Amino acid sequence: AQSVTQLGSHVSVSEGALVLLRCNYSSSVPPYLFWYVQYPNQGLQLLLKYTSAATLVKGINGFEAEFKKSETSFHLTKPSAHMSDAAEYFCAVSYGGSQGNLIFGKGTKLSVKP
Amino acid sequence: DGGITQSPKYLFRKEGQNVTLSCEQNLNHDAMYWYRQDPGQGLRLIYYSQIVNDFQKGDIAEGYSVSREKKESFPLTVTSAQKNPTAFYLCASSPLEGTQHFGDGTRLSIL
Repeated sequence: AQSVTQLGSHVSVSEGALVLLRCNYSSSVPPYLFWYVQYPNQGLQLLLKYTSAATLVKGINGFEAEFKKSETSFHLTKPSAHMSDAAEYFCAVSYGGSQGNLIFGKGTKLSVKP
Repeated sequence: DGGITQSPKYLFRKEGQNVTLSCEQNLNHDAMYWYRQDPGQGLRLIYYSQIVNDFQKGDIAEGYSVSREKKESFPLTVTSAQKNPTAFYLCASSPLEGTQHFGDGTRLSIL
């Protein structure tokens, strides 16, 4: 069965520091992988997705993620954190060869200190 | 603008009462989804529908019901059988093989 593990429910960084949010997946078939961001009391907004093209995926707001099949990982990074990046981030994997059905990780809440 | 509209934003339910959460989309998406979000639990799938008049149970369908009479609409009813309904409910839609887009959610609380 497919699953997604996000290491660290809370991550805190200083403004200007590197952001690294970890995501590992298990999947019996080549997956589609997603990162979503959620601001308080709002829905989820797609940051980026991997769909078996380039392994390094660039998204919105300066975020990027690298698909590493050997490590079954899809970690999210941003070189320099901004106060506006404070939010909750969810990694998700699709199953059944379709982008439509997703399994979500439990989320990582990112805090950015001035 | 195209998007997904969930209403109301906040909803209160009395014990033993059914309540219905609205979800409307004007993106012409075939598929629609309902998720429940609890703190520290991520999103869990309640129901989904890929075509009008058809829907499938997700991982936590007990105590919930849905209908899909129109392509644009996918209302969720939280029944009195759902013993712990307090949560944040998110609706999403997608093309059949496409990426999910989310509404802004409805927060349900018990009075």
